[in-house]
Formats: sequence, structure tokens, C-alpha cells
Amino acid sequence: EVQVLESGGGLVQPGGSLRLSCAASGFTFSGYAMSWVRQAPGKGLEWVSSTSGSADSTYYADSVKGRFTISRDNSKNTLSLQMSSLRAEDTAVYYCAKDRISRSLAGAGVFDYWGQGTLVSVSS
Amino acid sequence: EIVLTQSPATLSLSPGERATLSCRASQNVNTYLAWYQHKPGQAPRLLIYDASNRATGIPAKFSGSGSGTDFTLTISSLEPDDCAVYYCQLRSNWPPSFGPGTKVDIK
Repeated sequence: EVQVLESGGGLVQPGGSLRLSCAASGFTFSGYAMSWVRQAPGKGLEWVSSTSGSADSTYYADSVKGRFTISRDNSKNTLSLQMSSLRAEDTAVYYCAKDRISRSLAGAGVFDYWGQGTLVSVSS
Repeated sequence: EIVLTQSPATLSLSPGERATLSCRASQNVNTYLAWYQHKPGQAPRLLIYDASNRATGIPAKFSGSGSGTDFTLTISSLEPDDCAVYYCQLRSNWPPSFGPGTKVDIK
């Protein structure tokens, strides 16, 4: 059974940093691109970042570029999101999501398994 | 950047009725469109990919159609468990953007 489980959320002050993790199981982790998608309170889904199966390619939303870094450890089946210079508008539930079929980012972008999410609150 | 719009914003129907949700893209996206169901406090659930293909384990009551700029998600017979927000999502370009969502309520 495919499972993804996020952790690491919490309350952080503006300008602070936080690292999210996603533990994956039930599939060949290195064989799939992985992504982070967030949902701010009362808002819709917003894609944040994606990384290829081999971690040789990464994409970021303009809203987080230069502040967030996505990474993965295929030996531990773990996806991470290092967030720095956090702003109030980064407050959201952050979801880890598995790509449906693609290892590379070229054919990726459909998310077939998602975690329950972890809440990040940025406030003083 | 391609923009997705969804209509209506809210859909309120009785049990057993058919729900028709619309998603429109600002440019031709071929069939690179997916649909998700999202209930509060739960993980989003992939329903449809590539416009008309049901994802693994999705019942036949959910169907998708369309190509180019206009797409439809149909729920054939509404049940209380179908109450959720439904999002369309584009995958052909980066970023993989989501529409604003349609909230489906049961009367």
C-alpha cells in the first residue's frame, strides 16, 4: 500500500526557517517524481515545488523561489522541503504528493497519492 | 501562463442528481487535465487524469470529458459522501496549476 506521511510543521516567526519531511512507502521511491503542494486557509491548492526521481531536476513556484529548497534521499525514501525567510503568506497546510507515472519532470505533474498534510503557521 | 477557471463556484444538488462541473483553460491544453476531490482534513484524491481516464480505484460514477480548452467532470448520482471541493489541474506546463475549485453540497 502506497503511503506518504508529512511531518515537521509548526509555528514559526516571520523570517524564520522550517524543514518539512515526507516519509514514503509502498512504492519504488526513486522511480517517481515527488512534489509539495500547499493550501492556505480558506484558499485552493497551490503547487510549490517538484523534484525528479533522481533529484537531478527541480522546479519551484515563483512565490517560493530562492527561499525554499526541495530535496530527497532515495536511500531513506524521504522527501524534504527546507523553507527559509518565511512570510505570513506561507501559512498553509503542506502536502507531499507522488507523481502518477513519471520519474522525470518532463512527463510529470499528475499526483496520485497525497499525504494528510502538515500545518505551517508563520506568525509573530 | 495558462489560467484555469471553474464553474460554478458552488453546486448544491439533491441526492441522486447528476453533477456537472466545468473547467476552462485560457489556452489549448490538449487533454493534459486532471480532476481531484478534496474533503476537509483529508488528502486530496486523484479522480481523473488526461481529461477522461479514471484513476485507480475510482468508481464509474465519476467521468471526465473534454479537450482543448473546455472540460467537464460528471458525477452521475450524487451521494452525501461526494460533498467536497473539486479541483481541475493542468499538467502540460510548469507550473502545474490548479483551478479555484467547485464546492459540491448536498441539499
